Amino acid sequence: EAGVVQSPRYKIIEKKQPVAFWCNPISGHNTLYWYRQNLGQGPELLIRYENEEAVDDSQLPKDRFSAERLKGVDSTLKIQPAELGDSAVYLCASSLGDSGGANEQYFGPGTRLTVT
Amino acid sequence: GDSVTQMEGPVTLSEEAFLTINCTYTATGYPSLFWYVQYPGEGLQLLLKATKADDKGSNKGFEATYRKETTSFHLEKGSVQVSDSAVYFCALSTNTGGFKTIFGAGTRLFVKA
Repeated sequence: EAGVVQSPRYKIIEKKQPVAFWCNPISGHNTLYWYRQNLGQGPELLIRYENEEAVDDSQLPKDRFSAERLKGVDSTLKIQPAELGDSAVYLCASSLGDSGGANEQYFGPGTRLTVT
Repeated sequence: GDSVTQMEGPVTLSEEAFLTINCTYTATGYPSLFWYVQYPGEGLQLLLKATKADDKGSNKGFEATYRKETTSFHLEKGSVQVSDSAVYFCALSTNTGGFKTIFGAGTRLFVKA
């Protein structure tokens, strides 16, 4: 079974430029999560999808971040414009629903973003 | 608000030593608790979980017991190996008052041969 796929693995951009990250979850997983992980910290949830619906985006900085999950499968997270403080690893995860929070999340390898 | 606190690392042990990584949490309701592990160059993967009080999660020789009275979920292993060197994350998930999943800051473990 293929795992969660993310691309690119690494991205270096200048501040004020746009950037996009792509995620393909495990087949059949209807719940998809985007996290940001700063150096030396744990992942922080940005947005959660149930199928194509964003059911929790309270932590997403909506002035510059956007996300979509068309057709309820793969997803794209975008930052426009990027700021220096956006440098982090962006993780995508998926699960078979959230079952009240009890279900295991499967993580992709992440995209390491460096903003210069 | 809800939170997860785990012991700071790095933790350095010799092979076959006993491991404890402390984790405490603050949450409303009854969260599920998890330990995830991140090996060098890899993504996070679930190590073990417990979904209710007094449950014990176990995997690969690691164990953790959901202690509601002390709001703790400490990770233990009786005899560590060099291959256990990784970063360990304690996490909680709950759907009480809206879905939340919160990770601790991670504890890096180094095991020397």
